[in-house]
Formats: sequence, C-alpha cells, structure tokens
Amino acid sequence: DVVLTQTPPTLSATIGQSVSISCRSSQSLLHSNGNTYLHWLLQRPGHSPHLLIYLVSRLESGVPNRFSGSGSGTDFTLKISGVEAEDLGVYYCVQGTHAPLTFGSGTKLEIK
Amino acid sequence: QVNLLQSGAALVKPGASVKLSCKASGYTFTDYYIHWVKQSHGKSLEWIGHVNPNSGYTHYNEKFKTKATLTVDKSTNTAHLELSRLTSEDSATYYCTRSPILGGCPFDYWGQGVMVTVSS
Repeated sequence: DVVLTQTPPTLSATIGQSVSISCRSSQSLLHSNGNTYLHWLLQRPGHSPHLLIYLVSRLESGVPNRFSGSGSGTDFTLKISGVEAEDLGVYYCVQGTHAPLTFGSGTKLEIK
Repeated sequence: QVNLLQSGAALVKPGASVKLSCKASGYTFTDYYIHWVKQSHGKSLEWIGHVNPNSGYTHYNEKFKTKATLTVDKSTNTAHLELSRLTSEDSATYYCTRSPILGGCPFDYWGQGVMVTVSS
C-alpha cells in the first residue's frame, strides 16, 4: 500500500502566520491517465473531514483562497497563507492513484 | 442540497454483526460511488472500500475484505456497511463519503459519522 508521510505532525501558528504541511508518498502518484489523485482534507474537532483541495491544487468550492496546494510525483504541499482561528484541526492528505486509497497520518494545527 | 445522513451510534457485543446506513439526498445517487472510512479513536483514517450504486459493484481494501460488506438499496438511495464478527478493534467512528463515478471532485460531502462501540 502507498504510505503517505505528513510533516510536521503538529504545527502551532499565530493568527495571520503562513504555514505549510508536507505530504510525501512512497510511490509516484501520477496516474497513467495523466491525473495525480492527491487531495487534502481538514477535520475540525468533533466534526467529519471535509475537502479543501483535490487533484493536487484545485480548490474545492467555498474553500477560502488562503488555502493552496502544490507538488508532483511524490512530494506535495498544502499552504495556508494567513492562518485564521477557524483553521484549527487535523489536516490529512489522501491518495487515490493506487488501490487501496490511503490517508496520511495527519498534521494537527493549533492556534497560539 | 446534498446530504449523507448516517444511522445512529451502535453498542454491540463481541462476535456480533452490525449494519450501518448512509442515506443520500440532494443528488443523483447512481452518479457517485459511496466510500466508507474508519477512524479509530484519536487516529487517522482508513479506507474500507467503495460501492457503485448503479451496478452494485464493490471494491474493498484487502484489510477489510473479511470484515466488511458493502451494499446499496437504490429504491431508498441508501448505502449500507455491515461489519461482522466484531471485536474491540472494530470500535471506531465510521464515515460515508462520495466521489463521482465519471471523475471530478471526490469526497466533497461526508456523513456525520457513526460511532460503533464493541463491548460486552
């Protein structure tokens, strides 16, 4: 199975600070059809996960544009440009290129 | 508006089975796979498998192949996850989510999750 390694495991940020989360895959996530099925989710405390970014860099409808995704192959990054209080929670990367679908171990964002 | 409404929490005895439901509304049920995801307390997420509501075809994570059975009822727009021979390792929150069969934005809606507790 594809292993997704997220760093850092925990992140502490002040309001307005920009932060990045890394997701490194044990295999290339470039599918033979040319798509890269790497997505980012946020799970706020006590809530279901919800989608932020799909296919590496596409912003889900309604998600603030302070969130952005980048990367290719095995290395991917989620950036938050100007953290807000509502951004606290656990961020997960998830890949759907190789079966079974797998998730990263998560990065917990705390607000100082 | 799209909604995935999951059944309530379950307390079940070791060795028993439980059937969870995920009722979809606000979209064409047969246009999206339904996925099931397990989250053990305080842990990350595990994909159990998905079902194609149009054909009933299922794709399982090998890890859950003898544990989980995915079905759909098109007449009620409901997907089901049955877990068998329950042990304490199955105590977790289970989520349903969807992805478009013809490609596009996946996992855009999630159920609220249902907590399963296995205890005698």
